[in-house]
Amino acid sequence: DAKTTQPTSMDCAEGRAANLPCNHSTISGNEYVYWYRQIHSQGPQYIIHGLKNNETNEMASLIITEDRKSSTLILPHATLRDTAVYYCIVRVVSQGGSEKLVFGKGTKLTVNP
Amino acid sequence: DGGITQSPKYLFRKEGQNVTLSCEQNLNHDAMYWYRQDPGQGLRLIYYSQIVNDFQKGDIAEGYSVSREKKESFPLTVTSAQKNPTAFYLCASSLNLNQPQHFGDGTRLSIL
Repeated sequence: DAKTTQPTSMDCAEGRAANLPCNHSTISGNEYVYWYRQIHSQGPQYIIHGLKNNETNEMASLIITEDRKSSTLILPHATLRDTAVYYCIVRVVSQGGSEKLVFGKGTKLTVNP
Repeated sequence: DGGITQSPKYLFRKEGQNVTLSCEQNLNHDAMYWYRQDPGQGLRLIYYSQIVNDFQKGDIAEGYSVSREKKESFPLTVTSAQKNPTAFYLCASSLNLNQPQHFGDGTRLSIL
């Protein structure tokens, strides 16, 4: 089962910042938070990941609370092409030691003109 | 350009037939993965490979087989033993098991 909770859907106006929340209250100290997005009928696209410090790259910023029980993905200036399902994932290591990503149902973000 | 290529994009299979899905990467990644996605659901791990000539079962390996004879290739065979093969299949790769995974554009398999 996914270890994260996300809203089912969100809307955002084009040009505005999109703030996507994620709860991961059972995260353990050595688990990272990853964000991916999936545009319809395509493979997931890696966005960003972090452990406890805030992270920023060319796509987005990731804000992780001090207790690490929740995080927010920020798309600073959303465009219509950012419409997608956004997945917040806590990295799970299975019995075999794999880098298994457990995808939940994600948040469907719709950017409106 | 570097990336992951899955082919074909759409695949049809008759019941009782085996079918092989192709996944090739030129990213020089050691680790490769196969996931299955059903409508409205997240991804589930079928198999993964940490390095050439090695692979491990994921959560839903029954009815599937893989091989990893070359670093850049990780084909998935959907056998007739897989009871519900209709799904969207995604291949991914990463530099190693600790680095982010990068995905191909998927193969949509349908049973005739």
